[in-house]
Amino acid sequence: RKEVEQDPGPFNVPEGATVAFNCTYSNSASQSFFWYRQDCRKEPKLLMSVYSSGNEDGRFTAQLNRASQYISLLIRDSKLSDSATYLCVVVASGGSYIPTFGRGTSLIVHP
Amino acid sequence: DTEVTQTPKHLVMGMTNKKSLKCEQHMGHRAMYWYKQKAKKPPELMFVYSYEKLSINESVPSRFSPECPNSSLLNLHLHALQPEDSALYLCASSQVATTSGANVLTFGAGSRLTVL
Repeated sequence: RKEVEQDPGPFNVPEGATVAFNCTYSNSASQSFFWYRQDCRKEPKLLMSVYSSGNEDGRFTAQLNRASQYISLLIRDSKLSDSATYLCVVVASGGSYIPTFGRGTSLIVHP
Repeated sequence: DTEVTQTPKHLVMGMTNKKSLKCEQHMGHRAMYWYKQKAKKPPELMFVYSYEKLSINESVPSRFSPECPNSSLLNLHLHALQPEDSALYLCASSQVATTSGANVLTFGAGSRLTVL
């Protein structure tokens, strides 16, 4: 079983739609969680950290469910420019604290 | 503009060549990373330097040789590569690599390597 799992998609949605991605992790000692965005042939860039109480940044909302060991990313009012791959990253304590990447979820927003 | 600078952006090399990839950051970060990324795959960790010392080598073949001359610089020396080594090589840095809350990664734009 992979440490961090994501549905690769692609999620194909029209502009203005709301779309949600989930990411599950297997290590219960995981402590830090992030969503990164990666555009085609570009480097990953931090989209947002995920806090225990959930957090929102404009149209983006991230949530953490420790009991079920998953994090989610909700994008409201999708824009064409949101088309990208969204990478879930998890960091566990008690070891090397190295970020572990999910395989990414591809989002395509069409007119 | 990215705060982690990688050079060259593109590199084409033969299997007998020796080349180097360079990475520089001036954010005062004490952890630096090399990742390899193939198309439609997530970044795959290769090496981690923490306080200028190699702390993780993810069983990378010896034809890849990392070097950290100082806290701002990270090199990846390449020798006798294979065509399957063609990929995007990403450098990243974080404040430290020892506490989970302080290792938000900042990536460079990458060096796209083609091995002929």
